Amino acid sequence: AQSVTQPDIHITVSEGASLELRCNYSYGATPYLFWYVQSPGQGLQLLLKYFSGDTLVQGIKGFEAEFKRSQSSFNLRKPSVHWSDAAEYFCAVEGGATNKLIFGTGTLLAVQP
Amino acid sequence: DAGITQSPRYKITETGRQVTLMCHQTWSHSYMFWYRQDLGHGLRLIYYSAAADITDKGEVPDGYVVSRSKTENFPLTLESATRSQTSVYFCASSEAPRGSGETQYFGPGTRLLVL
Repeated sequence: AQSVTQPDIHITVSEGASLELRCNYSYGATPYLFWYVQSPGQGLQLLLKYFSGDTLVQGIKGFEAEFKRSQSSFNLRKPSVHWSDAAEYFCAVEGGATNKLIFGTGTLLAVQP
Repeated sequence: DAGITQSPRYKITETGRQVTLMCHQTWSHSYMFWYRQDLGHGLRLIYYSAAADITDKGEVPDGYVVSRSKTENFPLTLESATRSQTSVYFCASSEAPRGSGETQYFGPGTRLLVL
């Protein structure tokens, strides 16, 4: 069965610093991979997704993610974090006939001034 | 407003009461989903629906009932609420063939407290 692991529960970075959030997945084939962001009290918003092709995916708000098949990873990056990026980030994998998304447990990002 | 809406946004109820959470989408998406979000578990799928009158169980369906008489609505009912059902509930929709990786669009969530 597919699964998603986000090993970092909580990360704190300084404003202007670079960011990398880790995501590892377990799936028999190449899955569809997603990153969602959830701001406090809000629903989830899609940042980016990977289907196939170019392994470096660009998303909204200056985020990007790189699919690495050999490492079963799909890490999210941003070169310079803004205070408004403070939120919870969820990696998700989808596959199979039911269109079900499997979410990781999330990484809570805090941004220091 | 267009999009996906949930009501109520906040709900407090007592153990044993029946509660219905509403979800409405204006895109005519075929697929709709209910998730619950709990600390340490991320989002877990409760039920999903591929079309009107077609529903199926997700990971954690026990204690919940859904219906889908119209494409745009997907209510979730807790028949007899328990404290373990205190959670944040998200509805989502997607216009996709199965397994296509289409984006799911999420509502703002309903925060439910069962006393």
